[in-house]
Amino acid sequence: GAGVSQSPSNKVTEKGKDVELRCDPISGHTALYWYRQSLGQGLEFLIYFQGNSAPDKSGLPSDRFSAERTGGSVSTLTIQRTQQEDSAVYLCASSVEPSTDTQYFGPGTRLTVL
Amino acid sequence: GESVGLHLPTLSVQEGDNSIINCAYSNSASDYFIWYKQESGKGPQFIIDIRSNMDKRQGQRVTVLLNKTVKHLSLQIAATQPGDSAVYFCAEKTKYSGAGSYQLTFGKGTKLSVIP
Repeated sequence: GAGVSQSPSNKVTEKGKDVELRCDPISGHTALYWYRQSLGQGLEFLIYFQGNSAPDKSGLPSDRFSAERTGGSVSTLTIQRTQQEDSAVYLCASSVEPSTDTQYFGPGTRLTVL
Repeated sequence: GESVGLHLPTLSVQEGDNSIINCAYSNSASDYFIWYKQESGKGPQFIIDIRSNMDKRQGQRVTVLLNKTVKHLSLQIAATQPGDSAVYFCAEKTKYSGAGSYQLTFGKGTKLSVIP
């Protein structure tokens, strides 16, 4: 595909369950970013990958949140023991290099925790 | 921490008029700024960017102005069209020393509504 893709597009889960969100960046993009967007809010930075490593995990809100990236491509964001306050749209973006400025966003995954 | 914010949360303009969306930033070390457009149910879409060594940059129907003295950024949309209706975010890119990583910090967004 030509752009960043994310799956699922919507996820409804019960409080306490674990969820995995997937991001497929643009082919050849080495940098990958995860953001969270709560209703009516701006984007909150979560984590950034350069290749398979994550130099900046400063935005992860708690130790229930983790992310990995394998093969320098697909990334998964895992939220354990989900809470209602985790409900948000989770957006993934990629760029050619970390130092290349333009980040291209996927459509997001809307997570609803009941 | 430092943050990016917007002056106006909502903006309604008549079709054909020009729109101006404003943004204030607080990190004087930021060297790169981006405007994104987000339509309902979609991810943010890159519109235009500007580096800190510039004060104006023009695209197709859009112009971004940067005033570093007062740390203010604006997006001007000429001849606003119904398709321009969306939420617009400004973002600043800041390099964190030591980690060598880059982060975009976003403002909360301005909703632009175009009246036909």
